[in-house]
Amino acid sequence: EAQVTQNPRYLITVTGKKLTVTCSQNMNHEYMSWYRQDPGLGLRQIYYSMNVEVTDKGDVPEGYKVSRKEKRNFPLILESPSPNQTSLYFCASSPFAANYGYTFGSGTRLTVV
Amino acid sequence: EDKVVQSPLSLVVHEGDTVTLNCSYEVTNFRSLLWYKQEKKAPTFLFMLTSSGIEKKSGRLSSILDKKELSSILNITATQTGDSAIYLCAVDANNAGNMLTFGGGTRLMVKP
Repeated sequence: EAQVTQNPRYLITVTGKKLTVTCSQNMNHEYMSWYRQDPGLGLRQIYYSMNVEVTDKGDVPEGYKVSRKEKRNFPLILESPSPNQTSLYFCASSPFAANYGYTFGSGTRLTVV
Repeated sequence: EDKVVQSPLSLVVHEGDTVTLNCSYEVTNFRSLLWYKQEKKAPTFLFMLTSSGIEKKSGRLSSILDKKELSSILNITATQTGDSAIYLCAVDANNAGNMLTFGGGTRLMVKP
């Protein structure tokens, strides 16, 4: 089944403890992206990647890192999480670019205390 | 700064009603507009619109873009409880097509 898989689905962590949210797609998509969704603010783009080893900042990149060493994987790294990074995170992929129609992962609900 | 605004914020209707959701945008370099449906979890892709006046249809859902008015509407006819969701509008306003700006969404509830 064609899908984007995120893990974990739920995570509660403490301020400052590094964490990684994994994202993997099995559709051979070139484009991948991370979004966060907050009430009243909608979906905001954190980082995106047009292909292996090509990543760039979205609208809200502060406090996040990404890497794209293989085509299928696009992990999101929070080096020192803070409470304002409590949010619902989505990974998404698309064949070539953002405007081809995303396939989204199921989301990761992160709480930083 | 690119901006996408959806209205209404929320809507409650009864099964069988027809609804119209609105999306307006202010962006510097419009390329396309996309609609997504978000039920319990991840958004799912509905339509992509690039040309004014051409309607895209999928069953009871249809959408049309008005570039002159900088807006789009999403129509749902004969609504069903399964249409209850948040409907998201996103605009691609970037030359490379690598970023989308999303609106805040319209929450639709369809009552039996």
